[in-house]
Amino acid sequence: DVKVTQSSRYLVKRTGEKVFLECVQDMDHENMFWYRQDPGLGLRLIYFSYDVKMKEKGDIPEGYSVSREKKERFSLILESASTNQTSMYLCASSLDPVLGAGTEAFFGQGTRLTVV
Amino acid sequence: AQSVAQPEDQVNVAEGNPLTVKCTYSVSGNPYLFWYVQYPNRGLQFLLKYITGDNLVKGSYGFEAEFNKSQTSFHLKKPSALVSDSALYFCAVRDELLSGSARQLTFGSGTQLTVLP
Repeated sequence: DVKVTQSSRYLVKRTGEKVFLECVQDMDHENMFWYRQDPGLGLRLIYFSYDVKMKEKGDIPEGYSVSREKKERFSLILESASTNQTSMYLCASSLDPVLGAGTEAFFGQGTRLTVV
Repeated sequence: AQSVAQPEDQVNVAEGNPLTVKCTYSVSGNPYLFWYVQYPNRGLQFLLKYITGDNLVKGSYGFEAEFNKSQTSFHLKKPSALVSDSALYFCAVRDELLSGSARQLTFGSGTQLTVLP
């Protein structure tokens, strides 16, 4: 059974903290993605990676960075957390470098981050 | 630019009745269209997709969707709803003409489906 695992289901962090969200996939996919999900806004792409150490900005990269040191792991980093980054964060992996090229994407269960 | 709209935030339907979740899109070229479902406290799961071919696409759990190019719609349907179908549904589109970082999938805002027993 394919799996995308996000290390935390719920996180509460303070404003200004550095926050790491971890995602691991066991499908040997080269392509991984980070989205945030907000009510009424759907899913918005933050960053994606099509190979180890390769990354590309999505639609809303401001305030975020990413790290892809190993093929199976893609980390999202909030350098200095702010309250407007309170959200649900979803990680995905795919055979395609373009999510929606034809094959399906596999999503993790999500991390609900609250910044206080 | 590509965009997708789900005009209904909430859809309620009685168990056993047919259900429809609406989706319209805007692209410059040909669309690649997807439906995903999110059950409570779960990530998104793929339901079905339209890339090319028959306008009626069948997917998981008895769902189907009809691609209508003239109306730029891709509505999700099921002939007989189950209480277990209650979830958040997302439509997504990709324009085959886009390149670079813009070529990624665009998701709609989501429609909460509630099936009443």
